[in-house]
Amino acid sequence: DADVTQTPRNRITKTGKRIMLECSQTKGHDRMYWYRQDPGLGLRLIYYSFDVKDINKGEISDGYSVSRQAQAKFSLSLESAIPNQTALYFCATMPANTGELFFGEGSRLTVL
Amino acid sequence: QKEVEQDPGPLSVPEGAIVSLNCTYSNSAFQYFMWYRQYSRKGPELLMYTYSSGNKEDGRFTAQVDKSSKYISLFIRDSQPSDSATYLCAMSWNSGNTPLVFGKGTRLSVIA
Repeated sequence: DADVTQTPRNRITKTGKRIMLECSQTKGHDRMYWYRQDPGLGLRLIYYSFDVKDINKGEISDGYSVSRQAQAKFSLSLESAIPNQTALYFCATMPANTGELFFGEGSRLTVL
Repeated sequence: QKEVEQDPGPLSVPEGAIVSLNCTYSNSAFQYFMWYRQYSRKGPELLMYTYSSGNKEDGRFTAQVDKSSKYISLFIRDSQPSDSATYLCAMSWNSGNTPLVFGKGTRLSVIA
């Protein structure tokens, strides 16, 4: 089983719908991250969390929200999806003070 | 100017070639430098990690950091078709206490 699990792996939705992407990890890491990846734009950070009570905005947080339900769970929500949120989304974890990110397999979201 | 610049490629080489992948950066405070490898439809995974200037070798891979020129390189010797992937550089001024800054990635194809 994957150490960082994302659900769903693929999702097609319509403009205006609320979408939640979920991430769970078995690595025991405190730090969790959500990135989106777009062709030509690379990886961009949406939100990150260093522990359950800590949530921080990243480079492109507008239109997104997150919830850290437990040390092992970090979910990303799109309250009202729009087509330019069509992208590949990655969850990642990091052990403290290492700089090494462990990524999930990605969630491909298409907003029509 | 973006903090980290990386040529997106694509780069296509014959099997057995030496590959050179590069990133330049503008923030002289960066101390930790990483290379991630991302296979198609997978999340990135850490390939090489170096601190400050100098070289680090791991098998066929060598990471090189030149802080005076703000330039990092990844060399792949005796390239194999299995090396075909996107390579992303990443860097930080501390060991992960602030989010990593990624390059956009270079897509590499090694042709048998």
